[in-house]
Amino acid sequence: GENVEQHPSTLSVQEGDSAVIKCTYSDSASNYFPWYKQELGKRPQLIIDIRSNVGEKKDQRIAVTLNKTAKHFSLHITETQPEDSAVYFCAAIYSGGSNYKLTFGKGTLLTVNP
Amino acid sequence: NAGVTQTPKFQVLKTGQSMTLQCAQDMNHNSMYWYRQDPGMGLRLIYYSASEGTTDKGEVPNGYNVSRLNKREFSLRLESAAPSQTSVYFCASRNGGARTGELFFGEGSRLTVL
Repeated sequence: GENVEQHPSTLSVQEGDSAVIKCTYSDSASNYFPWYKQELGKRPQLIIDIRSNVGEKKDQRIAVTLNKTAKHFSLHITETQPEDSAVYFCAAIYSGGSNYKLTFGKGTLLTVNP
Repeated sequence: NAGVTQTPKFQVLKTGQSMTLQCAQDMNHNSMYWYRQDPGMGLRLIYYSASEGTTDKGEVPNGYNVSRLNKREFSLRLESAAPSQTSVYFCASRNGGARTGELFFGEGSRLTVL
């Protein structure tokens, strides 16, 4: 089955700095890679996603890159703000026809210090 | 439009007691999921239902049963609770026909087994 490794498990940055979280996956059939943000005590929510036919996607201060050959994808947050503090989860998904298999990484606790 | 609603939000059980976590979604989604979240372990899939009338085991199904009561509702039952089942449980749903794999999560149910 799919295995998703996420690093680092914790990340502390100063406000205004950039933060990068990296994930690797094992199943070359995976074709959809979402990132979820979970604030303390809240539910996970989708913040950005990328499909296997795209190398990079950006939405304001967040961006995701995908390297299919190396089977890794990364979340980049620029100009970090205290409200970016949360746990971030990557996931790798095979979605084709009626099949749908999803595997989450173990999460990264991001702390943005003011 | 409430999205995904879980009940109860908090529950304390004694070892050996049984209980059912209820989940309902009003987004007309085909697929529903139950996850557990433990510190440092990310989100682990317990059971899922790809469509009304079907259920399948996920990564950690032992000690749990599920029922897809109808398209809206998907319940998780602990027949004989154990301390190892102390966790935060999340229900999620997804539109099985959409290319996007976005999961919509409930607010979570915090279960403590003494």
